[in-house]
Amino acid sequence: EAAVTQSPRNKVAVTGGKVTLSCNQTNNHNNMYWYRQDTGHGLRLIHYSYGAGSTEKGDIPDGYKASRPSQENFSLILELATPSQTSVYFCASGPGLAYEQYFGPGTRLTVL
Amino acid sequence: GQQVQQSPASLVLQEGENAELQCNFSTSLNSMQWFYQRPGGSLVSLFYNPSGTKHSGRLTSTTVIKERRSSLHISSSQTTDSGTYLCALEREGNTGKLIFGLGTTLQVQP
Repeated sequence: EAAVTQSPRNKVAVTGGKVTLSCNQTNNHNNMYWYRQDTGHGLRLIHYSYGAGSTEKGDIPDGYKASRPSQENFSLILELATPSQTSVYFCASGPGLAYEQYFGPGTRLTVL
Repeated sequence: GQQVQQSPASLVLQEGENAELQCNFSTSLNSMQWFYQRPGGSLVSLFYNPSGTKHSGRLTSTTVIKERRSSLHISSSQTTDSGTYLCALEREGNTGKLIFGLGTTLQVQP
């Protein structure tokens, strides 16, 4: 079973503050993804990566940056957090194209 | 518009009844994946099923690419099946990115 972990699990931030969400996978998967889940919108892709050093914009990248310093780690960075970024964030990993994706437990972020 | 449509949006069953969840998509796909999610929980992969039929215990997934649909059948439902079922497709020619439906919320009553 693929193992994807996220930290923190819960976070409360202030508007204008910087937030970093971390994701770690131990399966040597090339691809990693960040999604957010909101009622009425489902899960939407924010950023993704094909490997260490690469990041790509997903469907809703505005207000977010991503960093993939190693095969195992993928971070999502909110430089100036806003209340509209209050959501549940999921990280996922997968071996590559047309393969199953494995999700982490999620991070609940509240921006006040 | 929504490229992945799930129906019904919600469903209430009595324990022991069967359920058929539908996922229709308006674009060509590389793959289709079904997930289960408890309220406030993570996504658990049920099936990776780009085409054909797959079985796992009381669950059956069928994807018919030509008809642009996938279904998840739950037989002899149990209260522990309650939660949200999500389908997600990876678009053809794309690069591992999933597009999710809004889900079907299932409640199984004892």
